[in-house]
Amino acid sequence: EPEVTQTPSHQVTQMGQEVILRCVPISNHLYFYWYRQILGQKVEFLVSFYNNEISEKSEIFDDQFSVERPDGSNFTLKIRSTKLEDSAMYFCASSLAGGFRGTGELFFGEGSRLTVL
Amino acid sequence: DQQVKQNSPSLSVQEGRISILNCDYTNSMFDYFLWYKKYPAEGPTFLISISSIKDKNEDGRFTVFLNKSAKHLSLHIVPSQPGDSAVYFCAASLRNDYKLSFGAGTTVTVRA
Repeated sequence: EPEVTQTPSHQVTQMGQEVILRCVPISNHLYFYWYRQILGQKVEFLVSFYNNEISEKSEIFDDQFSVERPDGSNFTLKIRSTKLEDSAMYFCASSLAGGFRGTGELFFGEGSRLTVL
Repeated sequence: DQQVKQNSPSLSVQEGRISILNCDYTNSMFDYFLWYKKYPAEGPTFLISISSIKDKNEDGRFTVFLNKSAKHLSLHIVPSQPGDSAVYFCAASLRNDYKLSFGAGTTVTVRA
């Protein structure tokens, strides 16, 4: 069964350092997403990406965050200067379609746990 | 974001019995509702969904009920099995929107 894969599974970094989280979405999917879950809190939407551009982003996704699809398979989330409050589990997701239909068939990766010290 | 609420953080049920998970929402513009299941160290897995034009959707042991006037939905699992022990998230989206708003989750424990 096709799946979304994420690396690393866990990253520990110092405050102020740059972090790149990587994702390989399901190969025929067209829409890509990042969500995060701070420990003990809800899963929160960060950003959606389609056709090589951001289609929607939340208030959390400020100038410190960026996403990129550098090649045909990877989808990355970069945090330029990490803060303590960025510590969370980051989930990548992909879907074949977007919007109304796409949100039903979101496939999530296993997550990358980011710990900022 | 308090638009989707799951007020029961945990639920314990005996194997073979019914599990009922509840979810409330505040945004009347939500058009599509979903339940996701999550095991430890895994990402959320889509379970079942319902469009706002329906009041019930069934898939095997899982049934979701939607009461739009009460802004309430529920997930019924019948019969509950030990493998159903997981965290269940309710989520909602607007029509043609790209993002899901999640509830805080309910941890279900099915006792043998």
